[in-house]
Amino acid sequence: SYELTQPPSVSVSPGQTGSIPCSGDNLGNKYACWYQQRPGQSPVLVIYQDTKRPSGIPERFSGSKSGNTATLTISGTQAMDEADYYCQAWDSSTVVFGGGTKLAVL
Amino acid sequence: QAQLQESGPGLVKPSETLSLTCTVSGGSISGYCWSWIRLPPGKGLEWIGSIFYSGSTKSNPSLRSRVTISVDRSKNQFSLKLDSVTAADTAVYYCARRYDSSGFGFDYWGQGAPVTVSS
Repeated sequence: SYELTQPPSVSVSPGQTGSIPCSGDNLGNKYACWYQQRPGQSPVLVIYQDTKRPSGIPERFSGSKSGNTATLTISGTQAMDEADYYCQAWDSSTVVFGGGTKLAVL
Repeated sequence: QAQLQESGPGLVKPSETLSLTCTVSGGSISGYCWSWIRLPPGKGLEWIGSIFYSGSTKSNPSLRSRVTISVDRSKNQFSLKLDSVTAADTAVYYCARRYDSSGFGFDYWGQGAPVTVSS
């Protein structure tokens, strides 16, 4: 079965830039999305189609892709950005989520 | 602005069927893909399955034999049935909407329905 690999945790200092990678076979030929999930809340879509930001998502969130690795970058990280982040893609019309990355703002 | 709301029992006995309904308000069901996604305790998000406006369905291969997803357009609702549940099916269950076009993510989610499988 298809898998997306994310690091379990990433730390970033307030005001700095943090990046979360997501890798998968042939991900370069698939679209990736990213979700933020704070404890006890529903996930929020922050990036779709690799690089696009939904309405209402702050500009400090950006997405990119190089080869088979998609990356979520948060610039000027704020304490409120501390959350779990999941990448998501499609494989043969089935939806696949990465294992999730806990972003700590220290 | 669409709103999604899950409803159903919060406790299901092992070997029985888990049944949840998602009611969609503030928008039409047409043109979208409607999905069920769950978050087991201490684990990550897991896609369960989706139903398209045409009525066709797709489901996670690991759950496929136990999953039934259906839609009731007259009520703007879609439903999940998961057969033969075990403790491993304990999770928060979310319904979510995705525009049915390539690369569009799940942009609206329900608040989540916690379900515990226990005797």
